[in-house]
Order: sequence, then structure tokens, then C-alpha cells
Amino acid sequence: DGGITQSPKYLFRKEGQNVTLSCEQNLNHDAMYWYRQDPGQGLRLIYYSQIVNDFQKGDIAEGYSVSREKKESFPLTVTSAQKNPTAFYLCASCRTSMNTEAFFGQGTRLTVV
Amino acid sequence: AQKITQTQPGMFVQEKEAVTLDCTYDTSDPSYGLFWYKQPSSGEMIFLIYQGSYDQQNATEGRYSLNFQKARKSANLVISASQLGDSAMYFCARGYGGATNKLIFGTGTLLAVQP
Repeated sequence: DGGITQSPKYLFRKEGQNVTLSCEQNLNHDAMYWYRQDPGQGLRLIYYSQIVNDFQKGDIAEGYSVSREKKESFPLTVTSAQKNPTAFYLCASCRTSMNTEAFFGQGTRLTVV
Repeated sequence: AQKITQTQPGMFVQEKEAVTLDCTYDTSDPSYGLFWYKQPSSGEMIFLIYQGSYDQQNATEGRYSLNFQKARKSANLVISASQLGDSAMYFCARGYGGATNKLIFGTGTLLAVQP
């Protein structure tokens, strides 16, 4: 079945460590996105990519990095520069036609210990 | 700042009844899309319904319909014949950035369907 796979589902990080969240899609979508969700809040855009080898900062990119070396994959690295990384992270993809719906993965819950 | 407002943090509805979830938005874009997503306790965001700003008719998708009032900048979700499985968080979102399809989300409404 086509879809978006995020791994791991739960991730624990010690302060000062970098961690990488995986996102893979087999929907043949050009565009991919990373959103962050904090309790009681909506999603906020971290980074997005419209095409392979290109990506742009979203609204809260500080402390994060991404790469887009393959169409199917858009990993997110949470660096030690991110001061409050504990959150729920959601990856999404969509076609690049205007106003098309995004398809989301199951999410990764990151906790700093 | 362009913003999505969902004023109902939580709602109760009896099974088989209809419920309306409110959403208002700010925008200066001439053309935009509005989306509703459902987030069950598992965490995944599930797309429900889409309304384009230039669509003449309100969108419908099965038991979901969208009450779109462009002049008032509101896009309320109506769920008819509620089911226990409808219990979840519901988020209103607006597309921005043209074909980049970025989304700005409201803070959500937690719906609880009671038997």
C-alpha cells in the first residue's frame, strides 16, 4: 500500500545529542514537509522540499536540518541547538499542484531525557 | 499575522447527532484552500475535506460537509450522524505559499462522541 512511513515511533535523546528522524514515502510525491506539534497546539512547519536536492526553511527551522537526496526520503535532524526539542514530529507529502491535500505519516514522539 | 482560529477546545455530541466545529481564518491571499484533518489518539493526521476559496458550492465528503462563508472568513466542519469512531482532535488548516502547499493550522477541537 502507498503511504508515508516515519520511524521510530518513539525516540529518546540525551541533552546535547543530535538525532535523526526518518520519513519515507512511496506515493511518488514531489513535495515533502516536516511539522512539529506541541501539546494543545496545531502543527507548525519546520522545513519543506518541493523537489529533490532542494529544501526551504519553514516557520520554526532553527535547530533543525534536513536533506533531500532521494525523492522518497526526507530525514529530519534535530540538533543540539534546538533548545526545546521534546515534541511530536509529523512528516507529510503531497503533489505540487496548488491546493492539494497533504498525506501524513504516523509521527515520531521525541523526548529529551 | 495570518491565523486560523478554532474557538472550541472541546465538544461533546451524542451518537447519531450532528455537530459543527468552528473555524475562522485570516488571509489577504486572493486564492486559497481550506482543509480539515482528523487526528485520532494514534497521532496520524487524516485528511477529511477540502474547500477552495473560489468554489461556488460547499464541499461535501460522505458524512462531512463544510459550511463555507467567504465574506465572514469562516469554514465550519459539519459532521452528520456522529459515530463513536469520530472521537478525535479536529484541525482546520489553510494552504499558503501558492503551489508549495504549506499549511497553517488552528489549535484544534477535541470531539467526544457519547453513546
